[in-house]
Amino acid sequence: AQSVSQHNHHVILSEAASLELGCNYSYGGTVNLFWYVQYPGQHLQLLLKYFSGDPLVKGIKGFEAEFIKSKFSFNLRKPSVQWSDTAEYFCAVNKAAGNKLTFGGGTRVLVKP
Amino acid sequence: GAGVSQSPSNKVTEKGKDVELRCDPISGHTALYWYRQRLGQGLEFLIYFQGNSAPDKSGLPSDRFSAERTGESVSTLTIQRTQQEDSAVYLCASSLAVSGSGNEQYFGPGTRLTVT
Repeated sequence: AQSVSQHNHHVILSEAASLELGCNYSYGGTVNLFWYVQYPGQHLQLLLKYFSGDPLVKGIKGFEAEFIKSKFSFNLRKPSVQWSDTAEYFCAVNKAAGNKLTFGGGTRVLVKP
Repeated sequence: GAGVSQSPSNKVTEKGKDVELRCDPISGHTALYWYRQRLGQGLEFLIYFQGNSAPDKSGLPSDRFSAERTGESVSTLTIQRTQQEDSAVYLCASSLAVSGSGNEQYFGPGTRLTVT
């Protein structure tokens, strides 16, 4: 069965700092990869997704992620965070022809103003 | 257009009672998914519908859990004889298609279930 690991459970950083959240998955076949974000009091929203092509994916709000197939990784990055980036971030994977998403445990990010 | 909606937003029930949770997917979305998020954990897949049929029920934790979908639209998740470990946020998502680039899932706000 596929699994997804997010290495950091909590991250605290100051505004303008750079952010990188790790995500590794276990499935060896072709996968689709996603990062979702849940802002306080809001529902899950898609930040970005990778299906095929350029392994460097750009999403909303200045986020990007890089798919490294050899490392089974899909790390999320943002060069300069803002207070409004305070949220919980979830990495998710599904098989290319599959349906259900397998989620990581989430990373809570707190950006101090 | 409207997103995925779920009702109720909060439900408090006594142990042993049955509960029904409702999901209205985005119009035209053929696939519908139910997930559960326990406190401090990631989302767990429960069941998935393609149209009105459920090809994948692998995530349902016990036979107390069931779900149905009618008219390729509304879905209901039923939990019978609720237990305290059923307390969680139950999330519904829908997608335009099952596979390929169309299977981006859009999530509803969730139903927070508390079993006392």
